[in-house]
Amino acid sequence: AQSVAQPEDQVNVAEGNPLTVKCTYSVSGNPYLFWYVQYPNRGLQFLLKYITGDNLVKGSYGFEAEFNKSQTSFHLKKPSALVSDSALYFCAVSPPMDSNYQLIWGAGTKLIIKP
Amino acid sequence: EADIYQTPRYLVIGTGKKITLECSQTMGHDKMYWYQQDPGMELHLIHYSYGVNSTEKGDLSSESTVSRIRTEHFPLTLESARPSHTSQYLCASSDLLTGANYGYTFGSGTRLTVV
Repeated sequence: AQSVAQPEDQVNVAEGNPLTVKCTYSVSGNPYLFWYVQYPNRGLQFLLKYITGDNLVKGSYGFEAEFNKSQTSFHLKKPSALVSDSALYFCAVSPPMDSNYQLIWGAGTKLIIKP
Repeated sequence: EADIYQTPRYLVIGTGKKITLECSQTMGHDKMYWYQQDPGMELHLIHYSYGVNSTEKGDLSSESTVSRIRTEHFPLTLESARPSHTSQYLCASSDLLTGANYGYTFGSGTRLTVV
């Protein structure tokens, strides 16, 4: 079965330190990969995507993500964390043969940035 | 800001009442989705639609129903609300172009409390 895993329920990082939020997937072929952020009492906002090309993609708010095909991973990164980055982060995958681009979601990772 | 609107934002209602959560989008997207999400938790797909007069149940069994009479409108109805329905409900939409580039566009959600 196709799936997306975010192995950490919560990630704690001190402000100014680099952060990584992990995502691995089990989908055949070359899927589209996405990261979304959700602030309290809000819907999800698109952060970045990978479709093809350079394995390092840049997105909103200084975030980037690294695609690794051999490890089927798409980890979210930021060189220097801000307290305002504290939120819930979701990884999502769109299987390549799904013409409707229906997304398969990870369970989410709560990111806490401490001052 | 996303052109997808959910009303009401917050709703407290008594057990046994019938309620309709509204979702409208002005982007002309053909695909629309309803997710149920407990605070800080994963997303559960409860209904989706790929076009007018097309509705499908999602992965999570739900006592709610949906309709898609117009492209822009995808309301969700609970015939008899119960405390177990207390949750946040997120509406999302996409089409062939945005699905490949941004995945889904989300509304801000409706936080439902059944007392």
